[in-house]
Amino acid sequence: KNQVEQSPQSLIILEGKNCTLQCNYTVSPFSNLRWYKQDTGRGPVSLTIMTFSENTKSNGRYTATLDADTKQSSLHITASQLSDSASYICVVTPQAGNNRKLIWGLGTSLAVNP
Amino acid sequence: DAGVTQSPTHLIKTRGQHVTLRCSPISGHKSVSWYQQVLGQGPQFIFQYYEKEERGRGNFPDRFSARQFPNYSSELNVNALLLGDSALYLCASSTGQLNTEAFFGQGTRLTVV
Repeated sequence: KNQVEQSPQSLIILEGKNCTLQCNYTVSPFSNLRWYKQDTGRGPVSLTIMTFSENTKSNGRYTATLDADTKQSSLHITASQLSDSASYICVVTPQAGNNRKLIWGLGTSLAVNP
Repeated sequence: DAGVTQSPTHLIKTRGQHVTLRCSPISGHKSVSWYQQVLGQGPQFIFQYYEKEERGRGNFPDRFSARQFPNYSSELNVNALLLGDSALYLCASSTGQLNTEAFFGQGTRLTVV
């Protein structure tokens, strides 16, 4: 069982609509939780990084939330654009780890249609 | 400021050959990590270097090696290429401090035929 599970696996929405992606993790304790956006065949781009003591972080139209008690995180995308079509990956760093111990989810593939 | 740069962007090699991939981190970043990403899967950690020393190694065979230079750029070498080595190879740059961002390059797409 993957320590970081994301849902849904894929999602199709219309341009302009909002959506929320989910991430459930079992990694404990952990240092931080990150959300990355990855276009096909390109490197991941960091959207947000939250430590265990933070419960929300925004980056433009992207807002991430974190509930360390339930071990859940969500990424909310507001007013979606065609360029938001990508894979969104949730990544958890165990406590006292560094980048080498990043635990990656399998991502949610988002398609924004006109 | 330039981001993380990787070269080449695409590469085609035949089985048994070796390959060298290069990465230049963001200016001021001392840590470079290498990842292998097979299509449809998440990145798999290969190596981390910090201040020119290896700080971590993933579950990859000895055919994979890397080094970091005094200017913090890095090379990933893969010997005796196998078809299964075909993947997107990603380089991540960071300060090396906990809870800091890791910035990825655009990757090198390696195809082994």
